[in-house]
Amino acid sequence: AQSVTQPDIHITVSEGASLELRCNYSYGATPYLFWYVQSPGQGLQLLLKYFSGDTLVQGIKGFEAEFKRSQSSFNLRKPSVHWSDAAEYFCAVGAGSNFGNEKLTFGTGTRLTIIP
Amino acid sequence: KAGVTQTPRYLIKTRGQQVTLSCSPISGHRSVSWYQQTPGQGLQFLFEYFSETQRNKGNFPGRFSGRQFSNSRSEMNVSTLELGDSALYLCASSLRGGDYEQYFGPGTRLTVT
Repeated sequence: AQSVTQPDIHITVSEGASLELRCNYSYGATPYLFWYVQSPGQGLQLLLKYFSGDTLVQGIKGFEAEFKRSQSSFNLRKPSVHWSDAAEYFCAVGAGSNFGNEKLTFGTGTRLTIIP
Repeated sequence: KAGVTQTPRYLIKTRGQQVTLSCSPISGHRSVSWYQQTPGQGLQFLFEYFSETQRNKGNFPGRFSGRQFSNSRSEMNVSTLELGDSALYLCASSLRGGDYEQYFGPGTRLTVT
């Protein structure tokens, strides 16, 4: 079965600094990969996705992520964070071996705090 | 295009009661998935409905059930509520069954006392 690991529970970054959130997945084939963001009391917003092709994907709000098959990673990056980026970030893998068991599996999330 | 809507947003129930949550997907989306989010277990998949049929199911007891209507709206029911059912219940819609690209609603915060 697929799994997702987000090794950093909490990250603090200064406003204007760069950001990298780590995500590692476990799955036998090429997975579908996603990053979502969740603000307090809100649902999840899709930031970006990787299905195939170019391993560097661009998303909304200035985020990008790079798929590295050799490292089973899909890290999220942003060159300069804004105070409004403070939220919880979830990496997810979409996988399923048979029709009818496809589902998204989520990591445990990384809480991002921005300091002035 | 309007996003996924969930009602109610907040709910307080007592142990042993039952509850029904509602989800309206994005227009044109025909699949609805439900997730439970708790601090201890994180985001866990409950089930997916597509074309009014349960297409996929997570590892939850039979107290958790759902259905989907012909307009793709979905309801989730939890019977005989337990304290551990307190959670944020998220609904996600996608174009077709089995689609991994899912768009989430704001959730229903259920508190069981």
